[in-house]
Amino acid sequence: DQQVKQNSPSLSVQEGRISILNCDYTNSMFDYFLWYKKYPAEGPTFLISISSIKDKNEDGRFTVFLNKSAKHLSLHIVPSQPGDSAVYFCAASAYNAGNMLTFGGGTRLMVKP
Amino acid sequence: DGGITQSPKYLFRKEGQNVTLSCEQNLNHDAMYWYRQDPGQGLRLIYYSQIVNDFQKGDIAEGYSVSREKKESFPLTVTSAQKNPTAFYLCASSIQGADQAFFGQGTRLTVV
Repeated sequence: DQQVKQNSPSLSVQEGRISILNCDYTNSMFDYFLWYKKYPAEGPTFLISISSIKDKNEDGRFTVFLNKSAKHLSLHIVPSQPGDSAVYFCAASAYNAGNMLTFGGGTRLMVKP
Repeated sequence: DGGITQSPKYLFRKEGQNVTLSCEQNLNHDAMYWYRQDPGQGLRLIYYSQIVNDFQKGDIAEGYSVSREKKESFPLTVTSAQKNPTAFYLCASSIQGADQAFFGQGTRLTVV
């Protein structure tokens, strides 16, 4: 049973527009959420995170929104740039589970010039 | 520079052979992890270790083995019992109890 789901395997966006990547989770014990960005043949790199006590966290062009009642989070990239083209993984962890990361299946973002 | 290093980057193995993937970190992290990535799938946890000389199975441990004799090193052996070993393998480490993990560059294993 997938506890973290990214239902869109791919997303195509025009340069300069907003990219919205979505993530849903089922485990109500998750209390910390992260987004990782991954280029082909490289390891994922940390992008942005949010604690369950917040509903929004912003870092430059990247904003993560958390809706705990809906068990849903989203990553907004504004404005999107061609260099943002990568696979984005949503991950979640629970303090009482040793903060082990559970990953979603990833969404491939393609930003067209 | 501090970081986590996986070697080799590409690895080819004949069917029926065991192969060991290396993972070394100089971040002084207690916890280390091995993940597997298949096309179109997320990262699935193979094994993890939270302290030296101790490790636990992840979600897909069958056909794999690990050791944690040193804090810095967490090698993964892909045994001949692993039925579908061709994949991209990622090693990660983290401070004990921390949420954010740091990843190596990965090893792409191909069975020929």
